[in-house]
Amino acid sequence: GAVVSQHPSWVICKSGTSVKIECRSLDFQATTMFWYRQFPKQSLMLMATSNEGSKATYEQGVEKDKFLINHASLTLSTLTVTSAHPEDSSFYICSARASFNQPQHFGDGTRLSIL
Amino acid sequence: KNQVEQSPQSLIILEGKNCTLQCNYTVSPFSNLRWYKQDTGRGPVSLTIMTFSENTKSNGRYTATLDADTKQSSLHITASQLSDSASYICVVSPNTGNQFYFGTGTSLTVIP
Repeated sequence: GAVVSQHPSWVICKSGTSVKIECRSLDFQATTMFWYRQFPKQSLMLMATSNEGSKATYEQGVEKDKFLINHASLTLSTLTVTSAHPEDSSFYICSARASFNQPQHFGDGTRLSIL
Repeated sequence: KNQVEQSPQSLIILEGKNCTLQCNYTVSPFSNLRWYKQDTGRGPVSLTIMTFSENTKSNGRYTATLDADTKQSSLHITASQLSDSASYICVVSPNTGNQFYFGTGTSLTVIP
């Protein structure tokens, strides 16, 4: 089946640090990738949608300058949390989709802890 | 307003028992509904997908039903196993674009 790899799976860093999370589709080309954030005991909240080669579309309330998304190829999207603060600590999950009629395949998430 | 509500919020059952999780939605127009299983600290994994014309779909011990008229779906788990302990999320898509509406999930705990 379709596999999406997310890296790193867990990161702990100091406040003010920028953190980059990678999302790769291993066995298919993803025209669209999605980035979600999930707080404990809550469901996934969509942060942004990115299409290969174009700017990401951010959901209301998500700061694009804070969460930089790059989708430079059909198999890789990155989310950079710039100048991270403790309130950015969360579980970040990406998903990838080959085309409109295809399902999303989720990565295993990245647990980000900012001290 | 497009919403997806799931019940119960949490559920504890004995190993070997059956259970049913509910998903009610107000999303319109409707394209498809998916049930996902999310293990703790992992990403969601798709269990079933149902379109407007489908009433029932099974995947092993998981059986999903859909009533598009009443906008309700259920996920029935048969002969539960300890490994079924997870969060189950209902996701509804209004079209084939980039919109998805997530339910808040049901946390299932199967105890021996």
